[in-house]
Amino acid sequence: KAGVTQTPRYLIKTRGQQVTLSCSPISGHRSVSWYQQTPGQGLQFLFEYFSETQRNKGNFPGRFSGRQFSNSRSEMNVSTLELGDSALYLCASRPGPSDTGELFFGEGSRLTVL
Amino acid sequence: AQSVTQLDSQVPVFEEAPVELRCNYSSSVSVYLFWYVQYPNQGLQLLLKYLSGSTLVESINGFEAEFNKSQTSFHLRKPSVHISDTAEYFCAVSVNNQGGKLIFGQGTELSVKP
Repeated sequence: KAGVTQTPRYLIKTRGQQVTLSCSPISGHRSVSWYQQTPGQGLQFLFEYFSETQRNKGNFPGRFSGRQFSNSRSEMNVSTLELGDSALYLCASRPGPSDTGELFFGEGSRLTVL
Repeated sequence: AQSVTQLDSQVPVFEEAPVELRCNYSSSVSVYLFWYVQYPNQGLQLLLKYLSGSTLVESINGFEAEFNKSQTSFHLRKPSVHISDTAEYFCAVSVNNQGGKLIFGQGTELSVKP
């Protein structure tokens, strides 16, 4: 069974641009979460989606948004990029919202903002 | 609000020595507890979890952690480490019904030297 797939793995943008990151969860998993990882702030929860609906949201500005499609694939978007948005963005999936077990993480998309 | 504190940012040890990575959490409600491991340029992998029942949980590669409710701790231990255990280790908590939203500690970098 394929794992969580994130694309692109690496990308470079400049301040003010926007970026879209993609995540394909493990087959059969319907819940997708996004995290931001930086050296200074560590791992921080962005949001979680299930059945195309946002179920939970972290403490990030409105420039960070996401969505989920009917096939459970998810995208996150960051608009008006700032230098501080440089980070590793991790996507994780799990079977469903009532599952209390593990999150399965992808390898991440490393965003550099110049 | 929940929070997680990993007391050591870096832990250097020699191969075959025992190691303990410390984790304390704060929460006014019941939590689920996790240890994740991250190897360089990879995503996170679940090492072990505590949901309920026995307070001592073990992983397949020799790690164990003990849930101590009175001390609000979930320390990770291994009696004899290998070079291949070199990685960053993250302690995390989730609150009931918010399994996709994990609160992570800042991480402990375990460096195993020959």
